[in-house]
Amino acid sequence: DIQMTQSPPSLSASVGDRVTITCQASQDIDNYLKWYQHKAGKAPKLLIYRASNLERGVPSRFRGSGSGTDFTLTISSLQPEDVATYYCQQHVDVLTFGGGTKVEIK
Amino acid sequence: LLVESGGGMVKPEGSLRLSCAASGFTFSNAWMSWVRQAPGKGLEWVGRIKAKADGGTTNYAAPVKGRFTISRDDSKNTLFLQMNSLKTEDTAVYYCTTYYGDIDYWGQGTLVTVSS
Repeated sequence: DIQMTQSPPSLSASVGDRVTITCQASQDIDNYLKWYQHKAGKAPKLLIYRASNLERGVPSRFRGSGSGTDFTLTISSLQPEDVATYYCQQHVDVLTFGGGTKVEIK
Repeated sequence: LLVESGGGMVKPEGSLRLSCAASGFTFSNAWMSWVRQAPGKGLEWVGRIKAKADGGTTNYAAPVKGRFTISRDDSKNTLFLQMNSLKTEDTAVYYCTTYYGDIDYWGQGTLVTVSS
C-alpha cells in the first residue's frame, strides 16, 4: 500500500503569510495527487488535481507542485477563510490520504 | 449529487447498512468509494467498488477488510456499505465519493456511532 506522509501536522500563520504544506509518497505516484480543504461539518473540497491543476472556482492563491514522490501545496497569501484542515490524496490505485495539516490564523 | 443515509447508533458487534444515492452523472460508469473521518482524526479511505464494465471488483482498507462489504445497484443509482461486527473505532462520519467526468463528488456524510 502507498503511504502518504504530510507535514506539518498543524501550523499557525498570519493573514497574508505564505503557507507551505508538503506531502511525500512512499513510492512514485507520478502526478496522481489531489489536495483537499476540509472544514468541520462539510464535505472535503477539491483544490488541486493532478498535482498542479487548480480546480474551477478555487482562488489562485492556492498552488500545487511536484511529481513522483514529493508534492507541495502553497497558499501564497493566507486569508481568514482558509482556516481548515488540508489533505493530500494519492489515487494511483486505491485512495490514500495524508494525515492532514490543520491551518490556523495567528 | 451524492446523498448518504443509514447512519445511527449501534452497539459493538452490531451491523448497519449505509446507502448513497447518486444523481447528476452516469452512476453505472463510476468507480465509487467510501471515506470516513473518526472524531478528531483525519480522512481515511474505507473501500472502493469499480464499475461493472470494469469488473465491479471491490477493495478495502485493512481495518475493515472482512467486516465491511461495498455493493451497488446501478438500476437505482445507489451505493451501499454493509458494516458488520462493528467496533467502537468504526465511529465516524462516512462519506461516499467519486471523481467522474472531471467532477469531484462528495456526499454530506452520515454519522455512525458505535457505543454500548
